Amino acid sequence: KNQVEQSPQSLIILEGKNCTLQCNYTVSPFSNLRWYKQDTGRGPVSLTIMTFSENTKSNGRYTATLDADTKQSSLHITASQLSDSASYICVVSAYTGANNLFFGTGTRLTVIP
Amino acid sequence: EADIYQTPRYLVIGTGKKITLECSQTMGHDKMYWYQQDPGMELHLIHYSYGVNSTEKGDLSSESTVSRIRTEHFPLTLESARPSHTSQYLCASLPGTIYNSPLHFGNGTRLTVT
Repeated sequence: KNQVEQSPQSLIILEGKNCTLQCNYTVSPFSNLRWYKQDTGRGPVSLTIMTFSENTKSNGRYTATLDADTKQSSLHITASQLSDSASYICVVSAYTGANNLFFGTGTRLTVIP
Repeated sequence: EADIYQTPRYLVIGTGKKITLECSQTMGHDKMYWYQQDPGMELHLIHYSYGVNSTEKGDLSSESTVSRIRTEHFPLTLESARPSHTSQYLCASLPGTIYNSPLHFGNGTRLTVT
């Protein structure tokens, strides 16, 4: 069964600290993995995309990693800011099937001053 | 900011009412989607469309219908709202394929059925 699991479910950190969010998936055949950021009351916005051949990709203070062998991805946030408070959703796409996008339940990050 | 708009942002209605949630995008995207999102849960696909006059049901049966008469417009209709329909509804569009493009989401409609 195609599934995407994220951990932790929620996380509270102090402003300026780093954190890492995890995403494990069983989606097959794997196409790509995206991390989305969803601010409260808004729709999700794409942060990064990881394809099979990519191990690391950065977008400012966000760095995503992918291990296609173990089917794990992480999103590392450096020097967190209050504006990083949001839900972070891992979405994995498969190469086949009409409905081939699989969503994680998200990690709710709260950055406190 | 994505050019995809959803109205209303918030809606409170009584059981049995018929409602239509609006979604419009100005980017000319062929593919459009409706998702339902409950707190702490993953997004569930309700309906999708690959172009004008093309609509398909997703995994979640929500007793809703959609239409795609124009590329830019993809409304969702609930014929008879129930409290179980209380949720956040997100509309999204896709410019190309999921292999090279992210979903562009609207800001959602928060629906409460009393």
